[in-house]
Amino acid sequence: AQTVTQSQPEMSVQEAETVTLSCTYDTSESNYYLFWYKQPPSRQMILVIRQEAYKQQNATENRFSVNFQKAAKSFSLKISDSQLGDTAMYFCAFMKTALEETSGSRLTFGEGTQLTVNP
Amino acid sequence: KAGVTQTPRYLIKTRGQQVTLSCSPISGHRSVSWYQQTPGQGLQFLFEYFSETQRNKGNFPGRFSGRQFSNSRSEMNVSTLELGDSALYLCASSPRRWGLSYEQYFGPGTRLTVT
Repeated sequence: AQTVTQSQPEMSVQEAETVTLSCTYDTSESNYYLFWYKQPPSRQMILVIRQEAYKQQNATENRFSVNFQKAAKSFSLKISDSQLGDTAMYFCAFMKTALEETSGSRLTFGEGTQLTVNP
Repeated sequence: KAGVTQTPRYLIKTRGQQVTLSCSPISGHRSVSWYQQTPGQGLQFLFEYFSETQRNKGNFPGRFSGRQFSNSRSEMNVSTLELGDSALYLCASSPRRWGLSYEQYFGPGTRLTVT
């Protein structure tokens, strides 16, 4: 079974600054995906960024980037130039790669980090 | 493209009743998964449906069931409701294309309150 741990329940950052959210995971799988989702007060879960475990290059999506350390089983999210709209709960999630197309899949989530961006 | 839709958005039920929640995936997506979100347990996987078949199931009692129709729409049913079933129920759809993408896109959720 996989576990995902987010050790920072709450974080805050000033607008325009950079913040890094931590995530570690435990798995015996070698092929998997990692994701960061954000859930603002509206409760709509939004996909922020994804990383395939076989890729060494860290994923980047505009102001969002990850630091993926496979050996250390670490997957942190860096948010640059923080904006007020980034205020949300952020979830790190793991999904193992299915062996075949019809195999089941599921996301395993961490506990979440509540990020507040202050003006 | 329209996103994942869930109906109803809010629901209040009494203990012992049953409830059915509905989810329409993004057009072209073949997989629908359901998750339960509570303050105490966080986000927990319920089940996944793909091509009208349950492919994966979480650790929930048999009172929780689901199905998927030929148009990929899915329903989730909870029978004999308990107070602990109060939660936000999230549906997620995925393209489920082998070698391409398994990322999941979530709907707005159904807030179920059991009294």
